[in-house]
Amino acid sequence: EPEVTQTPSHQVTQMGQEVILHCVPISNHLYFYWYRQILGQKVEFLVSFYNNEISEKSEIFDDQFSVERPDGSNFTLKIRSTKLEDSAMYFCASSEAASGGADTQYFGPGTRLTVL
Amino acid sequence: QKEVEQDPGPLSVPEGAIVSLNCTYSNSAFQYFMWYRQYSRKGPELLMYTYSSGNKEDGRFTAQVDKSSKYISLFIRDSQPSDSATYLCAMSDILTGGGNKLTFGTGTQLKVEL
Repeated sequence: EPEVTQTPSHQVTQMGQEVILHCVPISNHLYFYWYRQILGQKVEFLVSFYNNEISEKSEIFDDQFSVERPDGSNFTLKIRSTKLEDSAMYFCASSEAASGGADTQYFGPGTRLTVL
Repeated sequence: QKEVEQDPGPLSVPEGAIVSLNCTYSNSAFQYFMWYRQYSRKGPELLMYTYSSGNKEDGRFTAQVDKSSKYISLFIRDSQPSDSATYLCAMSDILTGGGNKLTFGTGTQLKVEL
């Protein structure tokens, strides 16, 4: 069964450093997402991406965040200058563009980001 | 008022029990309702989705939506220890196409005891 994959599973970085989180969405999916989950809190939407541009972003997704689809298979989240409060589990998700139907999002296993 | 409210639990039940998990929401624009299961330190796994009001059954799982009350439920029959996980409700206010932002509840932690 196709699945969303994410690397690395755990990333440790120093405050102020840049990190890039990697995702490979399901191959025939056209919509891509990033969510995050701070330990003990709910899963929160960060951004959705379609046709090489951001379709929606939350207020969490400020100027220090960016997303990119550098090739036909990868989808990345970059955090330019990490802060302690960026420590969280980051989930990538993807979905097909369903005409007249539901948009079912499939999640990857997550990357645990720890900012020291 | 939070957009989606969910009792965090933990909820502990004996094996074979019927489990009822619930969420309430405030945004009347939500049309599409999902239940995800999340094991510790793993990604959410889609269990069921429903559109608007009504019931949907899949094996031991039944999802119910009551839009008039802004209330959704997930029932698990004949619960098993392998059902022990955190159950997340999620909702979206756009039905067609894609790129729909999901709004999640906090999750209910369920433990099914032998």
